[in-house]
Amino acid sequence: DAKTTQPPSMDCAEGRAANLPCNHSTISGNEYVYWYRQIHSQGPQYIIHGLKNNETNEMASLIITEDRKSSTLILPHATLRDTAVYYCIVRVARGGADGLTFGKGTHLIIQP
Amino acid sequence: GAVVSQHPSRVICKSGTSVKIECRSLDFQATTMFWYRQFPKQSLMLMATSNEGSKATYEQGVEKDKFLINHASLTLSTLTVTSAHPEDSSFYICSASRAGEQYFGPGTRLTVT
Repeated sequence: DAKTTQPPSMDCAEGRAANLPCNHSTISGNEYVYWYRQIHSQGPQYIIHGLKNNETNEMASLIITEDRKSSTLILPHATLRDTAVYYCIVRVARGGADGLTFGKGTHLIIQP
Repeated sequence: GAVVSQHPSRVICKSGTSVKIECRSLDFQATTMFWYRQFPKQSLMLMATSNEGSKATYEQGVEKDKFLINHASLTLSTLTVTSAHPEDSSFYICSASRAGEQYFGPGTRLTVT
């Protein structure tokens, strides 16, 4: 799986959009970008994933650059409950036989 | 859908004893489950892949005789930490695979005294 680079921490004001960047310059053509988050002392939670097109669901939006070397996760209206470590992971989709490789992620802190 | 549970959520045991952690997929069947370990202020590290009806596959550096994994049914995998020592104290998290996606349990906090 391709390696990802994320800033170690970010702050965001409650109610504002939180934009979390991820670099994955060695991504292969068949690899997807996945985002998970982990709230303190809980298991990771799936957020969203995408291949090349931008994606949106009820939790977030994922913007992938045209060259696919980087992406941004957007939480449109951050709340205090969004404080968590966010992990950007590149992997082959439907690769159910393989465990995930977690990097250090970004610790997002939502400020009241 | 796709709920994964773990039991217990917290366990404290004495050094030298063994402890079993259960991982269950509540509303789906999972032929593959994964076990991760997370030390304080660190990221999750994959320990092993558990396949129903066959032996688990362990990551490099994980002792298979110390961390016994049993995947006896399509909804249950167990991790037994044998002869636990304080350095085994950690947060153990399982995930279950369905249609290529992984769904995580809430984790088990193990403290060895």
